[in-house]
Amino acid sequence: GQNIDQPTEMTATEGAIVQINCTYQTSGFNGLFWYQQHAGEAPTFLSYNVLDGLEEKGRFSSFLSRSKGYSYLLLKELQMKDSASYLCAVKKTDSWGKFQFGAGTQVVVTP
Amino acid sequence: DVKVTQSSRYLVKRTGEKVFLECVQDMDHENMFWYRQDPGLGLRLIYFSYDVKMKEKGDIPEGYSVSREKKERFSLILESASTNQTSMYLCASTGVRDNSPLHFGNGTRLTVT
Repeated sequence: GQNIDQPTEMTATEGAIVQINCTYQTSGFNGLFWYQQHAGEAPTFLSYNVLDGLEEKGRFSSFLSRSKGYSYLLLKELQMKDSASYLCAVKKTDSWGKFQFGAGTQVVVTP
Repeated sequence: DVKVTQSSRYLVKRTGEKVFLECVQDMDHENMFWYRQDPGLGLRLIYFSYDVKMKEKGDIPEGYSVSREKKERFSLILESASTNQTSMYLCASTGVRDNSPLHFGNGTRLTVT
């Protein structure tokens, strides 16, 4: 089986930093992806980690520890437009590109 | 840029109707997927396809079928719509490389009355 857990909601102030944690249990791990989804829109790809460590992309960074089954997405210098749901997804090795998603973390950025 | 296009943004159907949701991608991706998204449950995989005429059940295939007659097109069929199939349906595609992300269509919000 495969479980992916992430917090339901987080609130932070504009300009602050927020860290969204994701834990997973899986057999045949082949990468962890983060997506951003604004209300009423499709998810869009943010980041990909397959090796341990930190990947930085502008204001967004993603970290992976495979031994701990743990990832986080770090959002720096928060802007109002960052208010969205953030989805953690695991890709498996045996699955022709099949992904398993967490339920998503709703980030609310306040002025 | 990859484009995944879903034929309808909003649909309202009656219980018992046969419903077709169409999806087309323009990046020659081998793999295509249908998910439904419900509040608190996240994205759940209904069916996926890794080649023309090939299909595999996802986590919640009951009440659905799919068709992939051409590489670029993947259709989701609700044989007899029921109210518990009211949901947001998202089509996605991806390439074969390990680091290939899913590219999503804009979604179809289906209401079954």
